[in-house]
Amino acid sequence: NAGVMQNPRHLVRRRGQEARLRCSPMKGHSHVYWYRQLPEEGLKFMVYLQKENIIDESGMPKERFSAEFPKEGPSILRIQQVVRGDSAAYFCASSQEQAGTEAFFGQGTRLTVV
Amino acid sequence: EDQVTQSPEALRLQEGESSSLNCSYTVSGLRGLFWYRQDPGKGPEFLFTLYSAGEEKEKERLKATLTKKESFLHITAPKPEDSATYLCAVEDNNDMRFGAGTRLTVKP
Repeated sequence: NAGVMQNPRHLVRRRGQEARLRCSPMKGHSHVYWYRQLPEEGLKFMVYLQKENIIDESGMPKERFSAEFPKEGPSILRIQQVVRGDSAAYFCASSQEQAGTEAFFGQGTRLTVV
Repeated sequence: EDQVTQSPEALRLQEGESSSLNCSYTVSGLRGLFWYRQDPGKGPEFLFTLYSAGEEKEKERLKATLTKKESFLHITAPKPEDSATYLCAVEDNNDMRFGAGTRLTVKP
């Protein structure tokens, strides 16, 4: 059973471009979480999704950021018109159920905006 | 506002020198408290889940405990390979919120 797969592992974008980060959850997992980790800081919650639904996006910036988890295919975190401050590691986690079960993390996508 | 605070920020131990990491939290309704280990450049690796005050779990040299306000991760006779950042996370309602982590370095 493959773990949570994120790609790409490293992504370089110029200011103003779009970044698309993909997350394939573990088999059988229908809950996906996205986190951002800045250097020397902890993981910051961004968004929680189930298949075709956004459950909680309270950690998402109001502009330029969006997330989806379609019925088929990976979850996508999309950042439009990237700025230098978007440079960070973005982690995805998946779980079988929402409440009180451990989440398994991917290896992360390291976004660098130049 | 819900908060998760870990201390110390960094901890340096000699091999074999036991110690504890702290995670204090304030949440409206705790569904679970999680400990993760994160190595540089990698995603967090799950260690433990604790659900209620008084609960304890052990794995090799690690032991996690939980009270109503905090959790401790005890490391007994650590080895250099235990060096990592240890993250605490608290789940309430729909969110799982992380502390900033404790960077543990174990010197041989």
